[in-house]
Amino acid sequence: GESVGLHLPTLSVQEGDNSIINCAYSNSASDYFIWYKQESGKGPQFIIDIRSNMDKRQGQRVTVLLNKTVKHLSLQIAATQPGDSAVYFCAENIGGKTSYDKVIFGPGTSLSVIP
Amino acid sequence: DAGVTQSPTHLIKTRGQQVTLRCSPKSGHDTVSWYQQALGQGPQFIFQYYEEEERQRGNFPDRFSGHQFPNYSSELNVNALLLGDSALYLCASSRPGTSQLDTQYFGPGTRLTVL
Repeated sequence: GESVGLHLPTLSVQEGDNSIINCAYSNSASDYFIWYKQESGKGPQFIIDIRSNMDKRQGQRVTVLLNKTVKHLSLQIAATQPGDSAVYFCAENIGGKTSYDKVIFGPGTSLSVIP
Repeated sequence: DAGVTQSPTHLIKTRGQQVTLRCSPKSGHDTVSWYQQALGQGPQFIFQYYEEEERQRGNFPDRFSGHQFPNYSSELNVNALLLGDSALYLCASSRPGTSQLDTQYFGPGTRLTVL
């Protein structure tokens, strides 16, 4: 079936280092991918998105890379800060006329920043 | 400007009971999606409402139903509760654009415990 999965369930990085969170997806028809950050007790928060016709997109301290050939998505966080500690989810939108008709989430990666 | 709000924040029910969860979308948003997030997992798409109709549905039984009101707020109803229904229920709102993808905003969720 359709699924989005992450290679690493947990990741610990030193404050100031760069973080890379990876994600594999299985639906080659997905045209839109999203990274979310979820802090304890809160709902997921949008970080950055990318459409399938792009292979890279940059935001503030974050970069998303998309490799459609191997169905791989990654989130890079530059100069990781303690406030970046959270669970990160990749998600893909499947089908529909709009960008959010059916969003499939991966299982998540827990990022811990060591001060 | 209030974001997505959900009520109640916490709820405890017993098996076989019925529950109704409520969501008010972010101002200007007309589409509401519901997700179930079990502990330690990613959110699972339940369904999406637009113009008071269910537009997309995930792999959830008919015990899960919903409604959207003219003011775009929404309710999620779950009948005949099972222990496995214990989870964080997230509501997300969006306003799909035509040429630009809008972001989806999540509420803080309702924590449902079924005993």
